[in-house]
Amino acid sequence: AQTVTQSQPEMSVQEAETVTLSCTYDTSESDYYLFWYKQPPSRQMILVIRQEAYKQQNATENRFSVNFQKAAKSFSLKISDSQLGDAAMYFCAYRMLYGGATNKLIFGTGTLLAVQP
Amino acid sequence: DAGVTQSPTHLIKTRGQQVTLRCSPKSGHDTVSWYQQALGQGPQFIFQYYEEEERQRGNFPDRFSGHQFPNYSSELNVNALLLGDSALYLCASSLQGDGYTFGSGTRLTVV
Repeated sequence: AQTVTQSQPEMSVQEAETVTLSCTYDTSESDYYLFWYKQPPSRQMILVIRQEAYKQQNATENRFSVNFQKAAKSFSLKISDSQLGDAAMYFCAYRMLYGGATNKLIFGTGTLLAVQP
Repeated sequence: DAGVTQSPTHLIKTRGQQVTLRCSPKSGHDTVSWYQQALGQGPQFIFQYYEEEERQRGNFPDRFSGHQFPNYSSELNVNALLLGDSALYLCASSLQGDGYTFGSGTRLTVV
C-alpha cells in the first residue's frame, strides 16, 4: 500500500525568506502523481503544485518549486520569498497515474507553516 | 465562479443519530469524492462517485454511505454516529477523476 510521510509537524519562516517542507512516500508503482496542497483556516484544500513522476524536470509555480528525488522517494516543497499569506497547513499527497478506480489521493499528516513578519 | 459547495458548514449531532452532508460539484465536473479529515490529520479517502455509482471505497464501515444524483451533486450519509466520527468532511469534484477541486468542508461534531 502507498504511504505518505511528513516528518515536520510545524515549521516557521521569516517573511521574505525561503523555507523547505519535506515529504517522503512509499510505492511500488513507477508512474504516479505527487502534489502539494495548502489548507488555510478557510479549510479549502488548494492545489499548490503537481509533479508527474515520469517527468525528470522539477515542477515550478512562481515562488513554489519542488525537489523530486524519485529513487529516494522524496518530494520536498520550497517556498521562496515567503509571504504572510503563505501561512497555512501544507499537505503532501500521492495519486496513482492512471485514472479509473485508482485515482484517490493519499495524504500525509501535514506541516503547519507559520510566517513571521 | 461555481466552485465546490458543501452544506452545512457546521453541525452538531448526538451519538447514535444519522447525518446527511451535501456537495455540489464544480460546474463541468462529473465525479465526486469524499474525504474525512480528523483534527490534526490528513484527509482520508471515504469513497468516490461517478455516473451515480460508487466507483471506489476507502477503509470505512458500511455506516458510511453515499449517493450521486443525475446533476452530479452528492450526499454523504453516516448512520449510528460515534464520537470518533467527529471530523471535517471534505468533498472534491473532478472531471472523470482528474484535476480535483475541493470544497471548504462540513465540520461535524458528535456529542
